[in-house]
Amino acid sequence: DTGVSQDPRHKITKRGQNVTFRCDPISEHNRLYWYRQTLGQGPEFLTYFQNEAQLEKSRLLSDRFSAERPKGSFSTLEIQRTEQGDSAMYLCASSPVIQSPLHFGNGTRLTVT
Amino acid sequence: TQLLEQSPQFLSIQEGENLTVYCNSSSVFSSLQWYRQEPGEGPVLLVTVVTGGEVKKLKRLTFQFGDARKDSSLHITAAQPGDTGLYLCAGASFGNEKLTFGTGTRLTIIP
Repeated sequence: DTGVSQDPRHKITKRGQNVTFRCDPISEHNRLYWYRQTLGQGPEFLTYFQNEAQLEKSRLLSDRFSAERPKGSFSTLEIQRTEQGDSAMYLCASSPVIQSPLHFGNGTRLTVT
Repeated sequence: TQLLEQSPQFLSIQEGENLTVYCNSSSVFSSLQWYRQEPGEGPVLLVTVVTGGEVKKLKRLTFQFGDARKDSSLHITAAQPGDTGLYLCAGASFGNEKLTFGTGTRLTIIP
């Protein structure tokens, strides 16, 4: 069990630029989740996948956000035309079955200047 | 939208004292999980409670799920500096994949 891996750990970008984050879940986990967390707050759900299928998206996920999990393994989260309000920690988590505990990565901290 | 309110939001106490953190909602959950998160890291699961009224103990930590499955508490006995962190409750709804996280309690234990 190598854990959930996220890359990069930190990303600083200028407003208007596009950014892409990667998440590698625990290999036998077919469920993958993206959450966003601002400083001192609890994580907010963004979207989740069961294998390669994206089954639910939060209203927080505007048209500028897109997530993929093309082969049911790793996932990417892209933010287009970044805004300062996108600055946050983006957390990825995986789990093996429905409603089982989530295994989180250490997140990607995005700063939009 | 399901909301999980945690109280207090911030808590700073001396080493050796006891404390209780609360997690409340108007919604019913099929299960409730508690996580602890340290700076720069993702949340790490502490416990899952499933049955209304259930009590689980993890060393000096005692977790309780409310009878109506709408609330939970975390009690820490003889707090230690290593208990410092952000404590998060998270609820799972029946038939729903996603976890809804609480607002968090930032705990600081002063040596």
